[in-house]
Amino acid sequence: DAGVIQSPRHEVTEMGQEVTLRCKPISGHNSLFWYRQTMMRGLELLIYFNNNVPIDDSGMPEDRFSAKMPNASFSTLKIQPSEPRDSAVYFCASSLRHSPANYGYTFGSGTRLTVV
Amino acid sequence: AQSVTQLDSQVPVFEEAPVELRCNYSSSVSVYLFWYVQYPNQGLQLLLKYLSGSTLVKGINGFEAEFNKSQTSFHLRKPSVHISDTAEYFCAVSAGSGGGADGLTFGKGTHLIIQP
Repeated sequence: DAGVIQSPRHEVTEMGQEVTLRCKPISGHNSLFWYRQTMMRGLELLIYFNNNVPIDDSGMPEDRFSAKMPNASFSTLKIQPSEPRDSAVYFCASSLRHSPANYGYTFGSGTRLTVV
Repeated sequence: AQSVTQLDSQVPVFEEAPVELRCNYSSSVSVYLFWYVQYPNQGLQLLLKYLSGSTLVKGINGFEAEFNKSQTSFHLRKPSVHISDTAEYFCAVSAGSGGGADGLTFGKGTHLIIQP
């Protein structure tokens, strides 16, 4: 398996622009998570989906952030408009719910977002 | 809700010496516990996990951790470290009732620095 695939690996954008981060989970996994990592706040859970349905989006910082999972093999995290304080590494992770042998996520390599 | 405290932000250790990275958690329900490692510019990789049963858990790369319910701790240990163990280590917790696929709560991380 190719693992969790995120794109792009790096994104540099100007303040005010729309940014879309993409994630392809491991085939067969039915839970998907978006995390943000910064030096100041560490790893923060933004939102997670079970069977393509958003379960908890309480970690989404503002209405500028939105996430979708149109099917089991694809998810997007969108920031519109972007601001410099959104600069961070964004990770996607997936897991198989109710499968103890698979507890613990598989993370993607992350997208490093820089908003200037 | 759960929380995780990693008591040391940075731990310097000489090569071939033993190391212990400390983790304490807080939760009102039963929990699952995890340790992840993050190498520079990479995603997080699962080292080991405690779900139930034996309190001593062995993971990859020679690491092990011991779950201590009375002290609400899950410290990570390795008897002899190598230069390649230099990385950031994260302790994480999830509620045991969530089917293993609810959001993980991460600690702030401990930077393990191996000195030759």
